Amino acid sequence: AQKVTQAQTEISVVEKEDVTLDCVYETRDTTYYLFWYKQPPSGELVFLIRRNSFDEQNEISGRYSWNFQKSTSSFNFTITASQVVDSAVYFCALSEKYSGNTPLVFGKGTRLSVIA
Amino acid sequence: DAGVTQSPTHLIKTRGQQVTLRCSPKSGHDTVSWYQQALGQGPQFIFQYYEEEERQRGNFPDRFSGHQFPNYSSELNVNALLLGDSALYLCASSLRQGSSYNSPLHFGNGTRLTVT
Repeated sequence: AQKVTQAQTEISVVEKEDVTLDCVYETRDTTYYLFWYKQPPSGELVFLIRRNSFDEQNEISGRYSWNFQKSTSSFNFTITASQVVDSAVYFCALSEKYSGNTPLVFGKGTRLSVIA
Repeated sequence: DAGVTQSPTHLIKTRGQQVTLRCSPKSGHDTVSWYQQALGQGPQFIFQYYEEEERQRGNFPDRFSGHQFPNYSSELNVNALLLGDSALYLCASSLRQGSSYNSPLHFGNGTRLTVT
């Protein structure tokens, strides 16, 4: 069975604060992909990052960084110096196997509000 | 470069009615997936179409059906609507072409269906 848990339902921070969004996953596969998507009020899911199970290197992209730890089955997302434009719902997702176009299993999302 | 487009944006239907939602994939993509996102939940996979055939299906009843056309666009049909079918329906496209890895899904803005 595959499952993604985002325990934080809502987070509110003041602009310029750092914030970490937690993601814990369950899968029986040894090869899999993890994703983060951002959903602004418009509804569209915006792809942020994909990480495969063999690559535990942390990644940084501007103010965004991701910490992947297989030992704890976690794939956490940190926004540094948050901005009001970061306000959105963020989803962590899992895709088992390496086959192309395997469906994604999403967590319930974390709603981030950044207050000016 | 046009992204994924969905129509209509909003729709209100009555219980028992039937509805058709439409999706045009991102230019160059050949695979369309549909997801249902209930309020406050993460998207759930409905089914995926490639080469005009349903290739994979999530845990949804037969009331949910689809179609893919030669130009790769797709329709989602829901019969005998229930109140619980009220949700945001997201279409996502990707490139299959025998790819050996999951190409990131590109999502549309969704169709918000309200069943009264």
